[in-house]
This record gives sequence, structure tokens and C-alpha cells, in this order.
Amino acid sequence: QKEVEQNSGPLSVPEGAIASLNCTYSDRGSQSFFWYRQYSGKSPELIMFIYSNGDKEDGRFTAQLNKASQYVSLLIRDSQPSDSATYLCAVSSGGSYIPTFGRGTSLIVHP
Amino acid sequence: ETGVTQTPRHLVMGMTNKKSLKCEQHLGHNAMYWYKQSAKKPLELMFVYSLEERVENNSVPSRFSPECPNSSHLFLHLHTLQPEDSALYLCASSQVEASQETQYFGPGTRLLVL
Repeated sequence: QKEVEQNSGPLSVPEGAIASLNCTYSDRGSQSFFWYRQYSGKSPELIMFIYSNGDKEDGRFTAQLNKASQYVSLLIRDSQPSDSATYLCAVSSGGSYIPTFGRGTSLIVHP
Repeated sequence: ETGVTQTPRHLVMGMTNKKSLKCEQHLGHNAMYWYKQSAKKPLELMFVYSLEERVENNSVPSRFSPECPNSSHLFLHLHTLQPEDSALYLCASSQVEASQETQYFGPGTRLLVL
């Protein structure tokens, strides 16, 4: 059973701070890692994907992958109230196009 | 706008009704998915159609029946549903064989079973 674990939160951070969201996974054969953002009542939308160990930056977002420790994280710099949403971590294994999703972490950015 | 559309956006049905959800993708993808999202639960994969292959979650009740007439269209036929089937039903598509399996989601159908 492939598992993807996330702290459900809510994670509350002040505006302008760095929000750190974490995700661990059980399948060592995992090769593709995704972060989706889901606003309340809306569908998930892709923010970042990462395949290689290390950091990947895109604007205010940085994904960090550590395959040895089986975790992937998402950092949001200069957090804004508009970043308040649920963040879903998804993982897929080599040869599988079907990802496994975590439960999501609720992020609240307060002014 | 992700290129994946779903209709209807909202649906209220009784337990004896039969209805269908429709999904269409305009991205040229070759895989389409149905997910169920209930409150406080992770996304639950229900069905996948990819390269004319169907994959299903064995825990999905038979009152849900998928149909995929071509690579751009996906249906979910509903009959004799139960109140616990009330949820957000999401359709997604992706391109299999690409170096990334990013899923593009439609807006979802909010289903309420009375």
C-alpha cells in the first residue's frame, strides 16, 4: 500500500512569513512528486513538480526533495493571504502514471 | 481554465434516480481519471482510462459505472446512489508517456444525494 502522509494542519503563518509544508511517502520507487493547491470549493491546480533531489524554485515557491529520507517539502516565501488554501502532495512511482495523493495541509495566512 | 470541463457543476438527486456526469478534455491527453473527494478525506481514485486500458479501484461500488467513448470524453453513470456518495467528483486528464504525469483537473461536480 503506497502511502503519502501530510499534516492536515491548519498551518497558520503571518503575512510575509515563510510557510513550510511537508510530505512523506512510503514507496522508495517513487520518482515524480507534485504539489497541488486547492482553494475551498475549487479543484486542485498544479503548483510545482520535482523529480531530482535538491531544490527547485519557481517564483515564491521552492520544492525540496530528499529521496533518501523520503520526504518532499514546499516552501512559500513572502506568504500572502491569497496563498490560504489546502496544499496536496502527490507522488507517482516509476512506470506508473497514477499518482497517490496525500490528505492535504490547510494553510492560513493571516494579515 | 485548465482545458478540462465538467458538467453539470452541481447535481442533486434522489436515491432512485439515474444521472450521468460528463467530462471533456481539450488538451490532447491520452489518460482520463475520475476522483471522489469527500470532506476531510484524501482524493480517492475511482477509475482511469489510458491508452484504451481501464483501471479501477476495486472498492468503488457498482452503482458507479464509467464510460470512455474516446480519449477526449469521459462519463460517470450514477444509479441508486446512497447519501454517503455525496461528494465532489473530479475529472482529470494527463499525458501518459511524458516525462511528467501532471494531472489537470476539471472544476468538479458537486453531488448531493438525498
